Amino acid sequence: KNEVEQSPQNLTAQEGEFITINCSYSVGISALHWLQQHPGGGIVSLFMLSSGKKKHGRLIATINIQEKHSSLHITASHPRDSAVYICAVAEPYSSASKIIFGSGTRLSIRP
Amino acid sequence: EAGVTQFPSHSVIEKGQTVTLRCDPISGHDNLYWYRRVMGKEIKFLLHFVKESKQDESGMPNNRFLAERTGGTYSTLKVQPAELEDSGVYFCASSRSGTVFYEQYFGPGTRLTVT
Repeated sequence: KNEVEQSPQNLTAQEGEFITINCSYSVGISALHWLQQHPGGGIVSLFMLSSGKKKHGRLIATINIQEKHSSLHITASHPRDSAVYICAVAEPYSSASKIIFGSGTRLSIRP
Repeated sequence: EAGVTQFPSHSVIEKGQTVTLRCDPISGHDNLYWYRRVMGKEIKFLLHFVKESKQDESGMPNNRFLAERTGGTYSTLKVQPAELEDSGVYFCASSRSGTVFYEQYFGPGTRLTVT
């Protein structure tokens, strides 16, 4: 069992729907990172969270350190949001080898 | 500034052959990382260069994998001989000195298919 679990693994929704992707982890961390990987493309950093909530455009990320859970929300979803969303956890100053990645959530938004 | 680039974008080889992947980091980035994502699995760390030195290669799966970063600029990752289980997407990332994980810039990845 991976120390970082994402749900759902796959999600298909209609354009305009509100999307929630969840990430639960079992290790002690100081920071959680949400990444986006577009089909055929590279990985883009979305958010780094250590507490509370962050918002960027239509994307909102929240984290509950006590419950070891984070959510990524997309409001007014659009087909261009179709991508794989990955959460990763680490101590902020730990080495890259200690980063633990989730297996990703594949999101598909239908027009 | 130009981003991290990787070449080729896709490689299909037969089992037993050799493949060399290349990563060009963002200019001025001392840190260079290699990661791999096998189909359906999570991304795994392979190794970390600081300039031309291997800082951490604890994620390299076995001695069929050889990474180099001559001159501290671009890096190559050679797989010789390739096995079926080596198929996946190989990502490279780079960052400036003294930065933390979330300040890494990722490349587009190389999709390796071993048949």
